[in-house]
Amino acid sequence: ETGVTQSPTHLIKTRGQQVTLRCSSQSGHNTVSWYQQALGQGPQFIFQYYREEENGRGNFPPRFSGLQFPNYSSELNVNALELDDSALYLCASSLGVSPLHFGNGTRLTVT
Amino acid sequence: GENVEQHPSTLSVQEGDSAVIKCTYSDSASNYFPWYKQELGKRPQLIIDIRSNVGEKKDQRIAVTLNKTAKHFSLHITETQPEDSAVYFCAAESASKIIFGSGTRLSIRP
Repeated sequence: ETGVTQSPTHLIKTRGQQVTLRCSSQSGHNTVSWYQQALGQGPQFIFQYYREEENGRGNFPPRFSGLQFPNYSSELNVNALELDDSALYLCASSLGVSPLHFGNGTRLTVT
Repeated sequence: GENVEQHPSTLSVQEGDSAVIKCTYSDSASNYFPWYKQELGKRPQLIIDIRSNVGEKKDQRIAVTLNKTAKHFSLHITETQPEDSAVYFCAAESASKIIFGSGTRLSIRP
């Protein structure tokens, strides 16, 4: 059984740039959720995708967007990067809503 | 929206003693409550979960209790060991999404 994989592991971007993060879900899972985890904080829910449609969104602006593909993999796109976007971005897959199985995350640094 | 409060934010216990972490939630419709452990630099990993049709669940040294009337749930770790040192997150399901608390950093003193 292949677990959740995320790429890249680390990324450095400049304020105003755009970034795309990728996630491959665990075999057999049909739902992908994205979280932002700032240093010393709990994961904050960004959005969830099910059957290629957004199925719930947290308190994040529209410049955070995503996609889910027919093979259930997913992308998180962030436009017009701000310094506060620096964080660990976690992808989690599940069969239905729960339980969540997390990837190792992408550490994004915005300078 | 759903809000999950967790306390304490830090907890230090003597090896072999018990540790208790408490959480409250706001959405009375929540019916699934997982707990995750995150070691430094690693992914959060599910350690135990409970659904609202039960009041308590135990798995070896770890137990979780749920009080739906009061909207709070707790994690209990008995006979703590050095490898229990980590950050622990409670969470609650609300409207098909999992909302996390802010975490408890647990340190085990030798």
